[in-house]
Amino acid sequence: GDSVTQMEGPVTLSEEAFLTINCTYTATGYPSLFWYVQYPGEGLQLLLKATKADDKGSNKGFEATYRKETTSFHLEKGSVQVSDSAVYFCALQGANSKLTFGKGITLSVRP
Amino acid sequence: ETGVTQSPTHLIKTRGQQVTLRCSSQSGHNTVSWYQQALGQGPQFIFQYYREEENGRGNFPPRFSGLQFPNYSSELNVNALELDDSALYLCASSRRQVKWEHEQFFGPGTRLTVL
Repeated sequence: GDSVTQMEGPVTLSEEAFLTINCTYTATGYPSLFWYVQYPGEGLQLLLKATKADDKGSNKGFEATYRKETTSFHLEKGSVQVSDSAVYFCALQGANSKLTFGKGITLSVRP
Repeated sequence: ETGVTQSPTHLIKTRGQQVTLRCSSQSGHNTVSWYQQALGQGPQFIFQYYREEENGRGNFPPRFSGLQFPNYSSELNVNALELDDSALYLCASSRRQVKWEHEQFFGPGTRLTVL
């Protein structure tokens, strides 16, 4: 079945540091890929998405590229801010339209 | 445009009881999906409703059941509650069109605690 694997956390960075969060997936067919963010006490918000190979999703300075050859969708940001502190989930959506999530990773950004 | 809303926000039940959680879809959306998020884990798909019928189910026992109403709002019912049912329950609505891939918008969730 479909699965998503995220790097182990938590991650603590200083403000303005470079961020990479790794995500790999296993799926049949050609899934769409997503990054969701969850701020404390809130539900999930879509951060960015990519629907086919080599697509790059971007939003709020975050980027991720759909790499079919490595089955990866790593999240990057060039300069993190304290306000980026949250839990980040990688997810895929297959032909049955359900979302399959990774375990999530907590990011803490220090001033 | 009103987003996805869920009620109640928090709920405490005891083992063996039954619970009903409610979700109102975002305006214009016709599909509702429910997810269970245990503490420190990613959300797990429970089931999806489209046009008032179940349209896909995850690895959850039959005591997890649901409904979708003509206005596309939805209920999640859980019978014979177990301690492991303690989790954040998330509802997501979307507008299914021709293409199967459709963005899901999440509500804030209902925190269920089973004692």
